[in-house]
Amino acid sequence: QITLKESGPTLVKPTQTLTLTCTFSGFSLSTSGVGVGWIRQPPGKTLECLAVIYWNDDKRYSPSLKSRLTITKDTSKNQVVLTMTNMDPVDTATYYCAHRLIASPDRSFDYWGQGTLVTVSS
Amino acid sequence: DIQMTQSPSTLSASVGDRVTITCRASQSISTWLAWYQQKPGKAPKLLIYKASSLESGVPSRFSGSGSGTEFTLTISSLQPDDFATYYCQQFHSYLTFGGGTKVEIK
Repeated sequence: QITLKESGPTLVKPTQTLTLTCTFSGFSLSTSGVGVGWIRQPPGKTLECLAVIYWNDDKRYSPSLKSRLTITKDTSKNQVVLTMTNMDPVDTATYYCAHRLIASPDRSFDYWGQGTLVTVSS
Repeated sequence: DIQMTQSPSTLSASVGDRVTITCRASQSISTWLAWYQQKPGKAPKLLIYKASSLESGVPSRFSGSGSGTEFTLTISSLQPDDFATYYCQQFHSYLTFGGGTKVEIK
């Protein structure tokens, strides 16, 4: 059974750096084809994929946010960490992590965490 | 970047109605498209992948079709549990979502 759970601060100040952790079970990030992504959703708005990291340490970032994002993995702890610098009130959103398997068939993001709401305010 | 455009943004329908949602890609994505259902306060749930493959456990009243730049999600007979927001997502080049379609009670 695959599960993912996001953790991190619920409130950050403008200009601060946000660090979110995705802790997962039921799969390994050392298995070929496996990836974990971070997706956010501002209140009342659509979803935006921020970053994805794969089993081979390949990393893909949103082109518009690439300069502010870093995604890393700790395979031994079954964790993926996302950092986002220079936070702004427009970054207020629910942040999700999700499982991906780029195998045949590729089902995109098939398992999601419950999400964590991050508010950016002074 | 590949842009995904969904229509309509809101759809009012009754239980038993046949519902169709359209998603257009700004360039060809072959069949690298997924559909998700999201209810308030919950994470998205995968319904369809590779444009027309039904995710395990998803009712057969949901179906997807299309290739290239035009895709549709159809609910053959709307059920009370189906009132939600639906998103398309391309995974041909990076991953981007459409703006969403809210299906509400008429």
